[in-house]
Amino acid sequence: DAGVIQSPRHEVTEMGQEVTLRCKPISGHDYLFWYRQTMMRGLELLIYFNNNVPIDDSGMPEDRFSAKMPNASFSTLKIQPSEPRDSAVYFCASSLRVGLREAFFGQGTRLTVV
Amino acid sequence: GQQLNQSPQSMFIQEGEDVSMNCTSSSIFNTWLWYKQDPGEGPVLLIALYKAGELTSNGRLTAQFGITRKDSFLNISASIPSDVGIYFCAGQTSDVDNYGQNFVFGPGTRLSVLP
Repeated sequence: DAGVIQSPRHEVTEMGQEVTLRCKPISGHDYLFWYRQTMMRGLELLIYFNNNVPIDDSGMPEDRFSAKMPNASFSTLKIQPSEPRDSAVYFCASSLRVGLREAFFGQGTRLTVV
Repeated sequence: GQQLNQSPQSMFIQEGEDVSMNCTSSSIFNTWLWYKQDPGEGPVLLIALYKAGELTSNGRLTAQFGITRKDSFLNISASIPSDVGIYFCAGQTSDVDNYGQNFVFGPGTRLSVLP
């Protein structure tokens, strides 16, 4: 398996634009997590899914952020409208069961909003 | 909320030296994890600890679950250039349910190894 695949690796967009980040989890993994990493706040869990169903989205910063998992092999994190403070590295991770011990991270998407 | 502190924030060492770093919290955790993040990559799990006092090794890495359950330590022996990266600790208060609420990462220790 190629591991967790995220796209794009880098995204530069203008403030106010819609941004969509994509993730393909490891095949067979039931859990999918979205994290955000910044210098100020470190790694923060935004939302996680179990069997394509959102379980906990309390980490989503505000209504501008939304995440979907239409099937077991694909998830998106959307920001609309984007703001400069959304600039960060966004990671997707997947695991066979809940518990970060068994979670594998993707390479991340570095988002810059100008 | 729960917060983890890591020290040192950064360190520069000579190749071959041993490294020690720690992670502390005011909260009690049931699980401690140590991750390494290389530039441009996602975190990779190094060691997982599940019991107070537990000492676990992974090659040149050794980590310990503090007796108070409020801290953990990571040691790297005989450092090599590929040890460069950011080391994160992560703590979890429960193994089941409410995962999103009780799992936190520390801010990281940035390690540089000089040849």
